[in-house]
Amino acid sequence: DTAVSQTPKYLVTQMGNDKSIKCEQNLGHDTMYWYKQDSKKFLKIMFSYNNKELIINETVPNRFSPKSPDKAHLNLHINSLELGDSAVYFCASSQELGRLGEKLFFGSGTQLSVL
Amino acid sequence: KQEVTQIPAALSVPEGENLVLNCSFTDSAIYNLQWFRQDPGKGLTSLLLIQSSQREQTSGRLNASLDKSSGRSTLYIAASQPGDSATYLCAVTLNNNDMRFGAGTRLTVKP
Repeated sequence: DTAVSQTPKYLVTQMGNDKSIKCEQNLGHDTMYWYKQDSKKFLKIMFSYNNKELIINETVPNRFSPKSPDKAHLNLHINSLELGDSAVYFCASSQELGRLGEKLFFGSGTQLSVL
Repeated sequence: KQEVTQIPAALSVPEGENLVLNCSFTDSAIYNLQWFRQDPGKGLTSLLLIQSSQREQTSGRLNASLDKSSGRSTLYIAASQPGDSATYLCAVTLNNNDMRFGAGTRLTVKP
């Protein structure tokens, strides 16, 4: 009955590989997000997306791309992984488009380690 | 640079007790503050959201207050129940939509 679920929970991979993290929400929300967390629990928004608009944080490398097969899913694809991509990635959802002040529901995170 | 601190780190209370969790932040330039609940192995669930212009929000037995000028928020839980046992996190949303979380308070409510 998890509201926002993401898989895998842990991902260990070699530099240069391409990997994906999946995210699904069963809340009926219109908007989903990807956040990257640094070692000090600071979450930086990477993308916010609904079926009408994709908002990309301009600091995100184009090796990262969101893919949404339907409203309940927003997967994160990462090409040519680099050591600096190692972090915890959180998926989240909210009722409306990613404007400030929305009540967010988060997944449990995916810890990515690039070797 | 925004820092979020939560005190105490852990709290154990008997069932039925009222309790207060504290959150402080160093930079008052926030857009909102949210309190989240996290159960072991599960994601974060938003409990209450307070906009920067608001002073408090209530939901059932939960009441959250915000004093932006002093950089403080409290989460008040009335008549605590064993089902309230979880980790409670506060997070501030910055003006660029980034969020900074505290380390959390691990609450145990004993039957």
